[in-house]
Amino acid sequence: AQSVTQPDIHITVSEGASLELRCNYSYGATPYLFWYVQSPGQGLQLLLKYFSGDTLVQGIKGFEAEFKRSQSSFNLRKPSVHWSDAAEYFCAVGPYKAFSGGGADGLTFGKGTHLIIQP
Amino acid sequence: DTGVSQDPRHKITKRGQNVTFRCDPISEHNRLYWYRQTLGQGPEFLTYFQNEAQLEKSRLLSDRFSAERPKGSFSTLEIQRTEQGDSAMYLCASSLGQGSTDTQYFGPGTRLTVL
Repeated sequence: AQSVTQPDIHITVSEGASLELRCNYSYGATPYLFWYVQSPGQGLQLLLKYFSGDTLVQGIKGFEAEFKRSQSSFNLRKPSVHWSDAAEYFCAVGPYKAFSGGGADGLTFGKGTHLIIQP
Repeated sequence: DTGVSQDPRHKITKRGQNVTFRCDPISEHNRLYWYRQTLGQGPEFLTYFQNEAQLEKSRLLSDRFSAERPKGSFSTLEIQRTEQGDSAMYLCASSLGQGSTDTQYFGPGTRLTVL
């Protein structure tokens, strides 16, 4: 069974500083990886995704993530955070089944990292 | 741009009552998912539809839970005889069903409180 670990429950970063949120996954095949952000009272918004190809993926709001197969990691980074980045961040893995018209399992999420921005 | 919508946004009910939530996916999306998110946790997959067919159910979906998508458009999630442990955010997501590059887009959720 697949699983996702986000080791940091809370992270505090000063506005303008760089950010890295960690994500490790456990999955037996090539994973499909996602980062979502959730602000209070809001739904999950997709930041970026990795399916294949270039291991460094760019997302919205200046975020990027790097897939490292050898470390089973998909860490999220941003060079300079803004106060509006304060939110809950979720890493997820999607174990899509082989396609013969078959369905797809739901995503498996980590427990999230709560990002706090200090002025 | 019309995203995924959910109704109601909040629901407070007493233990033992039945509740029903509605999800309207993005119009051209043929896949629809339900998740549950409890405090301090990430969303957990409950069930999934492709068009009107319910193709998968998590073991989290007890017999008190039922989901439908009668015409392959909106979906409803009903919880019968609610328990305090059902208190959670119920999230709906939809996707275009593009095989291996499928991406799920989430609605704002329905927060259920069972007293």
